[in-house]
Amino acid sequence: AQTVTQSQPEMSVQEAETVTLSCTYDTSESDYYLFWYKQPPSRQMILVIRQEAYKQQNATENRFSVNFQKAAKSFSLKISDSQLGDAAMYFCAYGAGGTSYGKLTFGQGTILTVHP
Amino acid sequence: ETGVTQTPRHLVMGMTNKKSLKCEQHLGHNAMYWYKQSAKKPLELMFVYNFKEQTENNSVPSRFSPECPNSSHLFLHLHTLQPEDSALYLCASSQDPRSYNSPLHFGNGTRLTVT
Repeated sequence: AQTVTQSQPEMSVQEAETVTLSCTYDTSESDYYLFWYKQPPSRQMILVIRQEAYKQQNATENRFSVNFQKAAKSFSLKISDSQLGDAAMYFCAYGAGGTSYGKLTFGQGTILTVHP
Repeated sequence: ETGVTQTPRHLVMGMTNKKSLKCEQHLGHNAMYWYKQSAKKPLELMFVYNFKEQTENNSVPSRFSPECPNSSHLFLHLHTLQPEDSALYLCASSQDPRSYNSPLHFGNGTRLTVT
């Protein structure tokens, strides 16, 4: 079974600085996808960034980027120029490729606090 | 404004009550999902519906009964729940459940408390 581990229950960062959230996963599959979701106090889960395992290039979305280390099964999220609106719970998630019908395995989450 | 709407936002029910959670998506998606988010636990997939057909039941107890009358609406009928069922129940939808190019869109969830 696949597992996703976020070892940092809480992180904090000063506004405008950079923070990195860690995620490791375990799988025997070769075709899979990795995601970071953000859950603000509104409770709605919002997709931040997605990485296909077959792509060697790290995904980036504006201030958000990932460091995908396939051999180490590591998938960290870097937030640059942190903003107050980035404060939220962040979840790392894994999805197997093929006909897995949208099943995602989530990590336990990391609460990110942004200090002004 | 979210494309996935869940009602009610909060629900308190006794263990002998029967209630239903409602989810509606306005995105024209073909698949809908129920996830459970308990305190200090990862999100757990409960059910998946693809074109109104249930394609996944992740060993969910029968006191949770899903219903998907069409691709836009999803219900979760609750009866004789236990206090440990208290959680945030999240509904999500996606265009194509077999493609991760169509990411999940989530609603704001229903916070359920079982007394």
